[in-house]
Amino acid sequence: EADIYQTPRYLVIGTGKKITLECSQTMGHDKMYWYQQDPGMELHLIHYSYGVNSTEKGDLSSESTVSRIRTEHFPLTLESARPSHTSQYLCASTQGTWDQETQYFGPGTRLLVL
Amino acid sequence: AQKITQTQPGMFVQEKEAVTLDCTYDTSDQSYGLFWYKQPSSGEMIFLIYQGSYDEQNATEGRYSLNFQKARKSANLVISASQLGDSAMYFCAISGTYKYIFGTGTRLKVLA
Repeated sequence: EADIYQTPRYLVIGTGKKITLECSQTMGHDKMYWYQQDPGMELHLIHYSYGVNSTEKGDLSSESTVSRIRTEHFPLTLESARPSHTSQYLCASTQGTWDQETQYFGPGTRLLVL
Repeated sequence: AQKITQTQPGMFVQEKEAVTLDCTYDTSDQSYGLFWYKQPSSGEMIFLIYQGSYDEQNATEGRYSLNFQKARKSANLVISASQLGDSAMYFCAISGTYKYIFGTGTRLKVLA
């Protein structure tokens, strides 16, 4: 089982602020993912990474950016937060080959932009 | 392309009874994985069970079993002896070439 951490758990911030959501995992997983999820709704993939210095945009257009300088760390940054960014952000990492990869999730960050 | 369909937005079940949550999928991959996750109101996603496309036996994990019917492209989750703590959102997912797709989820409410 993976240990994956997200900080902060909750964030209330004003419009226009720059924020970084942190995600770290201790299992050495190569693949990491960021999802955006509104309450009770489906998950939307916004970014993923298959390893260090590898990042790709997901299916949902997002104004956020990510970086992967270290295997264990996959932060997501919003340069200028807007109320439309209010959502829950879930980070995940995976173990195994692509047809067996169980995704393990962090606890999530609930973001409210005023 | 891959797709997951969960047609039950919400389900009710009486405590101690069994419940089946439906999931159908579509994929062009020969090898793929099927997963179920539970999301309580606290928001975290909890992995429940995995079924490989080449596995001939249905996966089981405690009170959870996955009813895998490959020809019908269905991967239903069966929860036996429901408990109040099973009340949550349940998501079906498929993994394949470069993609991991989730369904829209089913909200399960267990009644006392």
